[in-house]
Amino acid sequence: DQQVKQNSPSLSVQEGRISILNCDYTNSMFDYFLWYKKYPAEGPTFLISISSIKDKNEDGRFTVFLNKSAKHLSLHIVPSQPGDSAVYFCAASDGGWGKLQFGAGTQVVVTP
Amino acid sequence: SAVISQKPSRDICQRGTSLTIQCQVDSQVTMMFWYRQQPGQSLTLIATANQGSEATYESGFVIDKFPISRPNLTFSTLTVSNMSPEDSSIYLCSVESRTGSHEQYFGPGTRLTVT
Repeated sequence: DQQVKQNSPSLSVQEGRISILNCDYTNSMFDYFLWYKKYPAEGPTFLISISSIKDKNEDGRFTVFLNKSAKHLSLHIVPSQPGDSAVYFCAASDGGWGKLQFGAGTQVVVTP
Repeated sequence: SAVISQKPSRDICQRGTSLTIQCQVDSQVTMMFWYRQQPGQSLTLIATANQGSEATYESGFVIDKFPISRPNLTFSTLTVSNMSPEDSSIYLCSVESRTGSHEQYFGPGTRLTVT
C-alpha cells in the first residue's frame, strides 16, 4: 500500500526556469514531510522539509508547499540549474522515529 | 550532518550465499536504519537498529533473512542471507539528525546483484 505517491516519473525543464515536483499522500497521520535528492551511485541527500503546522518553507532556491486538506505537497526549484538533474524523492513521517515512507521518485533533467 | 560510509559499495553474489554490509558513522548516534531500494522502486525501511537491543523489523522483513548487528554507537551491519535474484537491490543505511528532527542522513549505498 503506497501511502506516498509521486505520479510523475520524470520531468524535463530548461535551465533558469521553474521545476515543480508534486507529491500526494493518503495517511492523515503524517505530520512531517521531506524532500531528498539522489544522484546515481550516491545515497539520498536531504533537501528541505516541512512540518504539518506550516504551509510553506523556503530555503534558497527550494520552496516546499503543503496543502493538508488536499494531502498534497510540492517542491519548487527556482531557477533550475543543470546540477539539479537528479531523482527527487518525497518522504513522510507520522512521528514514529525512523519510519519515513518514500514516494517512487521523479527524475528531473535540466537542459541548457 | 553525519558522514556515513558503507562497505562494500557493490557486489555480485551467487544465489544461496550471504553478504554482510557494513555501515560506519563519524559520530555517535542512537538510531541507525537500513533501507532497500529495489530496481525502479522507492526506498523501503527494512529495520531500525538501536545499540544494545534487538533490531526492530518492518512488516515483510524478518531477522532470519536480514540479521542486523549494532555493536556500538557508530557501526552496524546488515546481512542478506540465502540470497536469491529478488534480493538484487541497493541497500542503504541512514542515521537520524542530531537536531531531533525527522531528517535522516544516508550512506552511499551498497549495490547488490544476485545471479
